[in-house]
Amino acid sequence: KAGVTQTPRYLIKTRGQQVTLSCSPISGHRSVSWYQQTPGQGLQFLFEYFSETQRNKGNFPGRFSGRQFSNSRSEMNVSTLELGDSALYLCASSPVAGAWSEQFFGPGTRLTVL
Amino acid sequence: AQKVTQAQTEISVVEKEDVTLDCVYETRDTTYYLFWYKQPPSGELVFLIRRNSFDEQNEISGRYSWNFQKSTSSFNFTITASQVVDSAVYFCALKTEAAGNKLTFGGGTRVLVKP
Repeated sequence: KAGVTQTPRYLIKTRGQQVTLSCSPISGHRSVSWYQQTPGQGLQFLFEYFSETQRNKGNFPGRFSGRQFSNSRSEMNVSTLELGDSALYLCASSPVAGAWSEQFFGPGTRLTVL
Repeated sequence: AQKVTQAQTEISVVEKEDVTLDCVYETRDTTYYLFWYKQPPSGELVFLIRRNSFDEQNEISGRYSWNFQKSTSSFNFTITASQVVDSAVYFCALKTEAAGNKLTFGGGTRVLVKP
């Protein structure tokens, strides 16, 4: 079974631009979560989608948004990029949305904002 | 609110030494789940183990072992006879019933195993 895939793997943008990252979960997994990893703040939860609905949201500004499609694939969008948005963005999938569920992570998208 | 603390930022050992990673968590929920993840230089987080708050039985899996103690809110992880391939950043994480699928991570401990 294929793992979680994320595209693109690397991205360079300039301040003020917007970016869209994509995540394909493991086949059969319906929950997709996004995390931001930076040296200063560590790993922080962005949001979770299950069956095309946002179930949970972290403490990030409205510039960060996401969505999930009927095939469980998910995208996250960051508008009006800031230097501080440079980070590794990790996507995780799980079969269901419960706290007991193991989450499996993709390789991440490394975003650099210049 | 929940919190996970990994006091050790970096540990350096020589191959074949044992290494223990500390993890202390805080939560008011009575039902919660603890996880350990490994992040090698490639960046992908690899799931290692999950424990629920009702299961304090410690476990050994190959060279890995875990010590869960609710009385001290600790969930420590030991690598026995470390190998160079164990070099990575290890994260302890917590999920609660109230927060659903949201993982709260500790700051991570970088383990460097020298040959």
